[in-house]
Amino acid sequence: EAQVTQNPRYLITVTGKKLTVTCSQNMNHEYMSWYRQDPGLGLRQIYYSMNVEVTDKGDVPEGYKVSRKEKRNFPLILESPSPNQTSLYFCASSALAPGYEQYFGPGTRLTVT
Amino acid sequence: GEDVEQSLFLSVREGDSSVINCTYTDSSSTYLYWYKQEPGAGLQLLTYIFSNMDMKQDQRLTVLLNKKDKHLSLRIADTQTGDSAIYFCAAINNAGNMLTFGGGTRLMVKP
Repeated sequence: EAQVTQNPRYLITVTGKKLTVTCSQNMNHEYMSWYRQDPGLGLRQIYYSMNVEVTDKGDVPEGYKVSRKEKRNFPLILESPSPNQTSLYFCASSALAPGYEQYFGPGTRLTVT
Repeated sequence: GEDVEQSLFLSVREGDSSVINCTYTDSSSTYLYWYKQEPGAGLQLLTYIFSNMDMKQDQRLTVLLNKKDKHLSLRIADTQTGDSAIYFCAAINNAGNMLTFGGGTRLMVKP
């Protein structure tokens, strides 16, 4: 089954404790992206990757890091989480570029206290 | 950068038509999209329209694009309770490497 998986689905952590949210897709997609969803603000793009070892900033990259060492995986790293990073995070992938249909993961709800 | 705006909320009765509106700022956006998010789930692509089209119909869905006014709408005919969800409008940038989403419109369908 074609899918995008994210782990963990829920995470409560404390300020400053490094964390990684994993994202994996099994569709051999070139393009992967991370978004955060906040009430009334819709989805805002954090980082995206057009291919392996190619990553670029989205609209809200501050406080986040990503890596794309393999085509299928695109982890999101918060080196020193802060309460303003409490949000719902989605990973997405598409065949070549975001103009193609994006497939979204189920989301990770992160709370930073 | 691109700004995409939508109204926050729409309530309709089952069987009525729903019209969800969206405005965007970047006239060079070549494709515009509608995504649907059901409770507790990620987004799913509903439909899209190329910027040189005025209208696209797909079963109960009709997308209208007014490129001059940079206005996009999604009409859902014969709205059902299963259509209750958040609907996001999105526009692709000129370079084709980023999608900008609107804030989402929560559609509530009353029986």
